[in-house]
Amino acid sequence: SQTIHQWPATLVQPVGSPLSLECTVEGTSNPNLYWYRQAAGRGLQLLFYSVGIGQISSEVPQNLSASRPQDRQFILSSKKLLLSDSGFYLCAWEGRAGSPLHFGNGTRLTVT
Amino acid sequence: GESVGLHLPTLSVQEGDNSIINCAYSNSASDYFIWYKQESGKGPQFIIDIRSNMDKRQGQRVTVLLNKTVKHLSLQIAATQPGDSAVYFCAENWSRAGNMLTFGGGTRLMVKP
Repeated sequence: SQTIHQWPATLVQPVGSPLSLECTVEGTSNPNLYWYRQAAGRGLQLLFYSVGIGQISSEVPQNLSASRPQDRQFILSSKKLLLSDSGFYLCAWEGRAGSPLHFGNGTRLTVT
Repeated sequence: GESVGLHLPTLSVQEGDNSIINCAYSNSASDYFIWYKQESGKGPQFIIDIRSNMDKRQGQRVTVLLNKTVKHLSLQIAATQPGDSAVYFCAENWSRAGNMLTFGGGTRLMVKP
């Protein structure tokens, strides 16, 4: 069966520090991968998606970037965190277009 | 612009009663809809989906109804249990490539014992 892993589960980082969040998927190949951010008590905002290795599309301008160095690995990064980057970051995968997204358990990032 | 929203931010029901969570969407071109359940501190969990060529789909204790005429989506939970307490999101697919879901703001379901 397919599984998705995100780490770390929680992270507290000072303003101006770098960020690296990792997501890996097991049990599937060539998944579409997504990064979402969820502000407290709010819905989900799509940040990045990837349809293949090295292929990244950004949905909103921001202080973050994403990379996909391997088929089942998706990384969310920042060179210098801002206070506004705080939130709950969710990785998701999709086996084929038009099928449900499956989410990881998220990383709660607090920028202080 | 096009958006997906929910009518009620919080729904409180008695254990054993049926729950109905509503969602309005405005993109008439959307052809795929999903309901997710999110428990505190966890990622959204897929519950049920429906495509626009259907108006009803049933799962285990859950039913999704789609009314394309009024662009309305609902999730019905039968015999609501305490474990159903969570935030429920609807999402629509306005895909350009892949699964570009637009999520509603969520409804919190609280089940009273």
